[in-house]
Amino acid sequence: EAGVAQSPRYKIIEKRQSVAFWCNPISGHATLYWYQQILGQGPKLLIQFQNNGVVDDSQLPKDRFSAERLKGVDSTLKIQPAKLEDSAVYLCASSLGGRRSYNEQFFGPGTRLTVL
Amino acid sequence: KQEVTQIPAALSVPEGENLVLNCSFTDSAIYNLQWFRQDPGKGLTSLLLIQSSQREQTSGRLNASLDKSSGRSTLYIAASQPGDSATYLCAVRRGAQKLVFGQGTRLTINP
Repeated sequence: EAGVAQSPRYKIIEKRQSVAFWCNPISGHATLYWYQQILGQGPKLLIQFQNNGVVDDSQLPKDRFSAERLKGVDSTLKIQPAKLEDSAVYLCASSLGGRRSYNEQFFGPGTRLTVL
Repeated sequence: KQEVTQIPAALSVPEGENLVLNCSFTDSAIYNLQWFRQDPGKGLTSLLLIQSSQREQTSGRLNASLDKSSGRSTLYIAASQPGDSATYLCAVRRGAQKLVFGQGTRLTINP
């Protein structure tokens, strides 16, 4: 079974530039998550999708961050414009799903973003 | 608001020792708790998932326990090896709500 795929693995940009990350979840997984992990901290959920609908985006800085999952499979996370404090690893995860699912989350390798 | 704390933040032990990592959470109304391993520059690898109705889970040299009433979980690693060196994260989940992570324990096993 293929795991969660993410690209790119690394990205360096200057502040005020835009950047986009892509995630392909495990086949058949209805729920997709984007997390932000700042160095030395645990991951923090940015947004959770159930199929192509948003379940939770309460911690997504909506003035600069956006995410979509148009066909209920792949997802993109965009930052526009980037700030220095956005430097972090962005992790994508997926699970079988269901609003009250107990299912395990599987994580991708992450995209390490450096904003200069 | 759920808060998850992991102590210690870093731990260094000689190879072969048994060790315990601690995780505490403030809201005992959880559905499950998950332990992850994270290697430098890598994503998270799930080690063990304990449902709220369970007391412990075992996988090889790893054993995780859960005491919901006291808001605590421990990860026991037997006969530690240098390859166990990594950051270990615990996370709790309540229903459809997000996983809430601790800040992790950075473990170093010295040969």
